[in-house]
Amino acid sequence: EAQVTQNPRYLITVTGKKLTVTCSQNMNHEYMSWYRQDPGLGLRQIYYSMNVEVTDKGDVPEGYKVSRKEKRNFPLILESPSPNQTSLYFCASRKAGGSYNEQFFGPGTRLTVL
Amino acid sequence: AQSVTQLGSHVSVSEGALVLLRCNYSSSVPPYLFWYVQYPNQGLQLLLKYTSAATLVKGINGFEAEFKKSETSFHLTKPSAHMSDAAEYFCAVSTNFGNEKLTFGTGTRLTIIP
Repeated sequence: EAQVTQNPRYLITVTGKKLTVTCSQNMNHEYMSWYRQDPGLGLRQIYYSMNVEVTDKGDVPEGYKVSRKEKRNFPLILESPSPNQTSLYFCASRKAGGSYNEQFFGPGTRLTVL
Repeated sequence: AQSVTQLGSHVSVSEGALVLLRCNYSSSVPPYLFWYVQYPNQGLQLLLKYTSAATLVKGINGFEAEFKKSETSFHLTKPSAHMSDAAEYFCAVSTNFGNEKLTFGTGTRLTIIP
């Protein structure tokens, strides 16, 4: 089944404790993105990647890191989480080329930073 | 720069009535425009997209949207609302101009009144 998976789905942590949220897609998509969703603010793009070893900042990159060492994986790293990073996070992927192919979204990761 | 404005964070319509969700965009280059739907506790699903072909775009579940350049709008409509349409709807814009930036609106929660 074609899908984007994220782990963990739920995470409660404390301020300053490094964490990684994994994202993996099995569709051989070139493009991958991370978003955070907050009430009243919609989804905001954190980082995106257009291929292996190619990443760039979205609208709200502060406090986050990403890497793209393999095509299928795009982990989101919070080196020193803070309470304002409490949010619902989505990973998405899509195929390059053609007429803006559809983005496929993962199920989301709900992060709480105490 | 690109941005999206969704008028009305909450919209309620009666079952069988017309659904109209408003979206206005700002983009310095010709845009690609999208509507996504999010059902409770799920990720986002693409409803429809405009990528510079026909200005009237038909999507899934009976939804359609019309791109109006003169009004910088991309409103979403459905002639007859069903209970299953209750969800949150997001408009999004991208230029797909050498990057993967995708900007979402703040969302409109649609409630269907029996």
